[in-house]
Amino acid sequence: AQTVTQSQPEMSVQEAETVTLSCTYDTSESDYYLFWYKQPPSRQMILVIRQEAYKQQNATENRFSVNFQKAAKSFSLKISDSQLGDAAMYFCGKGGSEKLVFGKGTKLTVNP
Amino acid sequence: GAGVSQSPSNKVTEKGKDVELRCDPISGHTALYWYRQSLGQGLEFLIYFQGNSAPDKSGLPSDRFSAERTGGSVSTLTIQRTQQEDSAVYLCASSLTSGRVYEQYFGPGTRLTVT
Repeated sequence: AQTVTQSQPEMSVQEAETVTLSCTYDTSESDYYLFWYKQPPSRQMILVIRQEAYKQQNATENRFSVNFQKAAKSFSLKISDSQLGDAAMYFCGKGGSEKLVFGKGTKLTVNP
Repeated sequence: GAGVSQSPSNKVTEKGKDVELRCDPISGHTALYWYRQSLGQGLEFLIYFQGNSAPDKSGLPSDRFSAERTGGSVSTLTIQRTQQEDSAVYLCASSLTSGRVYEQYFGPGTRLTVT
C-alpha cells in the first residue's frame, strides 16, 4: 500500500521568514504526481503546488517551492517570506495509478 | 457549477438517526472521494469511486456507512444509526483521471453534529 508521511505535526515560523515542511512517500511507480494542499481555518482545501515525478525541475508557485528528491522519495515544501495568511494545515499527497493518498498533515503557525 | 458542491453545509442530528450527505463533483471528473475530518485532525479516507469500477470501500469505518454514486456523477454518503463519534466534517473531492490520478478538487464539506 502507498504511504505518505509528514513527520512534523506542527511547525511555526516568524512572519517574513522561510519554513520548510517535510514529506516522504513510498511507491513502486516511476510515474506519479505529488501535491501540497493548504487547509486554512475556513476548512476549504486549496491546491498549493503540484509536481510531476518525471520532471526533474522543482515546481514553484510564487513564494511556494518544492524540493523533490525522487531517489530519496522526498517532497518538501518551502514557504518563503511567510505571511500571516499562510497559517493553515498543510497536507502532502501522492497520486498515480492508484487513488490519491494524503499524509496526516502539518499545522503551520505564523508568528507576527 | 464550477466547483465541487456539497449539501447540506451543516447537519445536526440526534443519535440513532440516519443521515445523507450529498456531493456534486465537477462535471467530467470520473474519480470521487469521500473523507472524514475530525476537529484539528487529518483526512480520514472513506471511499473512492473511479468510473465504472467497483468502489474502494476500504476506509469505511463500519457497516453503518455506505455510499453510492449515481450515473457517474452525484454521490451520496449515508450514515445509519448515527453515533456521537460520527460528528466530524465530511469532505468530498473529485478528480479528472485518464488512467492516472491527478489532483483533487475539494468541496466545502458538510459539518455533521450528532447530539
